[in-house]
Amino acid sequence: AQSVTQLGSHVSVSEGALVLLRCNYSSSVPPYLFWYVQYPNQGLQLLLKYTSAATLVKGINGFEAEFKKSETSFHLTKPSAHMSDAAEYFCAVTLYNQGGKLIFGQGTELSVKP
Amino acid sequence: KAGVTQTPRYLIKTRGQQVTLSCSPISGHRSVSWYQQTPGQGLQFLFEYFSETQRNKGNFPGRFSGRQFSNSRSEMNVSTLELGDSALYLCASSPGTVNPYEQYFGPGTRLTVT
Repeated sequence: AQSVTQLGSHVSVSEGALVLLRCNYSSSVPPYLFWYVQYPNQGLQLLLKYTSAATLVKGINGFEAEFKKSETSFHLTKPSAHMSDAAEYFCAVTLYNQGGKLIFGQGTELSVKP
Repeated sequence: KAGVTQTPRYLIKTRGQQVTLSCSPISGHRSVSWYQQTPGQGLQFLFEYFSETQRNKGNFPGRFSGRQFSNSRSEMNVSTLELGDSALYLCASSPGTVNPYEQYFGPGTRLTVT
């Protein structure tokens, strides 16, 4: 069965600093991977997705993620943090034959200090 | 296009009661998935409906059930409520026919069981 592990339940960065949120997956077959963001009292918004077309994926709001099969990782990065990036971020995995079933990591809360 | 809507947004119920939550997907989307979000267990997949049929199911007891109507609207029902059912219930819609299923989330229904 597939699973997702997010390293660090809370990450704090200064405004303008690099954002790095870590995600490792476990899957016996090639997965589809996603990053979602959740702002307080809201649903989840898709940031980006990996579908095997390209290992470096660019998403919205300046975020990107790189799929590394050898490391089973899909870390999320942003070169320069903005105060508005403060939110909770979720990495998720699904498989080709599992349709609308997403398996989520535990989430990482990102704080941005002025 | 209008986004995913969920009603009601907030709900307070007593142990032993039952509750029905509603989700209206994005127009044209045929897949609706339901998730439970709690601080302790995180985001967990409940089930997915596609064209009025349950296509995927998570590991929840039979007290949790759902259905989908011909217009793709979906309802989720929880019977014999327990305190542990207090959670944010999120639904997500997708076209459901092209992998990977890019899911769009609603704002959620916050259920409190007392």
